[in-house]
Amino acid sequence: DMKVTQMPRYLIKRMGENVLLECGQDMSHETMYWYRQDPGLGLQLIYISYDVDSNSEGDIPKGYRVSRKKREHFSLILDSAKTNQTSVYFCASSLSQENQAPLFGEGTRLSVL
Amino acid sequence: GQQVQQSPASLVLQEGENAELQCNFSTSLNSMQWFYQRPGGSLVSLFYNPSGTKHSGRLTSTTVIKERRSSLHISSSQTTDSGTYLCALAYLPGTGSNRLTFGKGTKFSLIP
Repeated sequence: DMKVTQMPRYLIKRMGENVLLECGQDMSHETMYWYRQDPGLGLQLIYISYDVDSNSEGDIPKGYRVSRKKREHFSLILDSAKTNQTSVYFCASSLSQENQAPLFGEGTRLSVL
Repeated sequence: GQQVQQSPASLVLQEGENAELQCNFSTSLNSMQWFYQRPGGSLVSLFYNPSGTKHSGRLTSTTVIKERRSSLHISSSQTTDSGTYLCALAYLPGTGSNRLTFGKGTKFSLIP
């Protein structure tokens, strides 16, 4: 069953704490993505990974970093979280072809207090 | 940067009516994709449509490249169609990836 799994689904952190969002896929997709979605702003690309240890900044990478040590796992890290990083974070994966629609996870709702 | 404008921002119709959602983009595209998002939920791909017209059940997507627009038509809308519809433009052609720029979406609601 093709699926992108995000953990955790809900997370509450205090400003200044570190945050780790995990994403996994079981389809051996080369490309994985992290987006955030905010009211009025839509979905914005944070980072894209083309394969293991092959990561590129998206449109809003500031304040985030990523790790991809295995093809099936892609992590988003917030070092010293800020209140403006409160958002819904979506992970997605796809084959490395331009006509392939990404498959999205269910999202992680992060609140930074 | 790439610009993707969706209209209307919200749409309320009665069940059974037809809906027309628009997406306009500011530059030449690599591909146009449409997604559906259930309230509080994930995104589901509806169409990959770089040009021309595609059908899927009650949904029709039409992309006209030279006019830089794409539309999504929902016929005989049902309450289960409620949610947010997002269009997304892929750019950076030749990278072998689907790096998408999303519009802000059309929030679609049905009155029974």
